[in-house]
This record gives sequence, C-alpha cells and structure tokens, in this order.
Amino acid sequence: SQKIEQNSEALNIQEGKTATLTCNYTNYSPAYLQWYRQDPGRGPVFLLLIRENEKEKRKERLKVTFDTTLKQSLFHITASQPADSATYLCALDYTGGGNKLTFGTGTQLKVEL
Amino acid sequence: DAMVIQNPRYQVTQFGKPVTLSCSQTLNHNVMYWYQQKSSQAPKLLFHYYDKDFNNEADTPDNFQSRRPNTSFCFLDIRSPGLGDAAMYLCATSRAGQGAREQYFGPGTRLTVT
Repeated sequence: SQKIEQNSEALNIQEGKTATLTCNYTNYSPAYLQWYRQDPGRGPVFLLLIRENEKEKRKERLKVTFDTTLKQSLFHITASQPADSATYLCALDYTGGGNKLTFGTGTQLKVEL
Repeated sequence: DAMVIQNPRYQVTQFGKPVTLSCSQTLNHNVMYWYQQKSSQAPKLLFHYYDKDFNNEADTPDNFQSRRPNTSFCFLDIRSPGLGDAAMYLCATSRAGQGAREQYFGPGTRLTVT
C-alpha cells in the first residue's frame, strides 16, 4: 500500500530563515500533490497544489517542488514568521479527478523570535 | 463568506450511545467528505459523497454511517461509539471535475467517549 512519510519531529527555526519541509512517498507517483496547513484544534487549510508534470510552484513566500524520480516533494517557507508556526500536511491525489486525497501525518513547524 | 460549518464543535457521548455529527456548506460543492483524525495522526478518509453517490472506504467500520439529504448537509452517524472512536471528525468539500481540486475543511468536531 502507498506510504507517505513526513518528518514526525518538529522543525524549529529562527524568524526570517527559510523553513523546508519534506514529503516522501513510496510506490507510484500521484497525479497531483497538495500541501495544507493545520493549526491546533482546527481543520486543514489548502495552501498549494502541484501536478506531476510540474517541477515547482510558488505562491508569495511559499514554494513547492515535486520530484517524481526521488518520489519527494519539498515545501519551503521563505522569510518565516512566528505566525507560520503550525503543522503542515502533504496530501497525494492518485485519482486525477481530485476526489480523494491521502494525507501524511504532517510536520510541526515552530518559528521562534 | 462561503464556508464549511460543523456542529457541535465539541461532543461528549457515552460508550455505546449513538451520536450524530453534522456538517453544512455554503460553497455549493458537489463532493463532501468525512475524515477521522486522531492526535498526531493523518486525517483518515471514512467516506465521501459525489453528489448523491455514497463512496465508502474499505476499512471504514460498519459502526460509521453517513447521510446526505441535500447538497448542503451531510451527517456522520456513529451507531455504537467505542473508546477508540474518540477523535476529531473533519468534514470537507470540493468541486468535482477534471483536474485536481483542493478541499475545504470545516473546523472539526472533537468527539469524546466516556
């Protein structure tokens, strides 16, 4: 069965630095990969989506890369701020129709002053 | 603002006592999902509706059922909650169609089983 691996250890970085989060998966590549932010006790919020034929996607301070050879996606937050502190989930869409997502467990990011 | 609403935000039920969680949406999306999320775990899809078509995940226990009386509302029924069913239950919606679609989540209902 498909496995999604995100670093279970919290990532602590200093304000202003770039945070890089990793999402690795096994077996076959998804058609699409999405990243979500989840704050404690809240539902996930969509951030970015990248297709399998795209190498990189950007939105403001966020950047996502997708390497189907390495079976890995990297999620970058540049000029990080304490307000960026949250858990970040990657989600894989194998259906191509966007109807079902398989989520990773997420990585907790803490941005310190 | 268009949104996904879940009620109640916190629900306490007794072991074995049926409970219903509700979700409504103003986005007019035709796909609605129910996820279970336990502490530090990934959201786990229980089932989803594509319009009126119900799609159950193979490993969703029979104890969990769902109803979607119209486009806007969807309910999660837990017939006989066990202690292991204590979790956050998340409702989400998306537009169906060709290509990827992001999902819009509600704030969740935290279920406690005593």
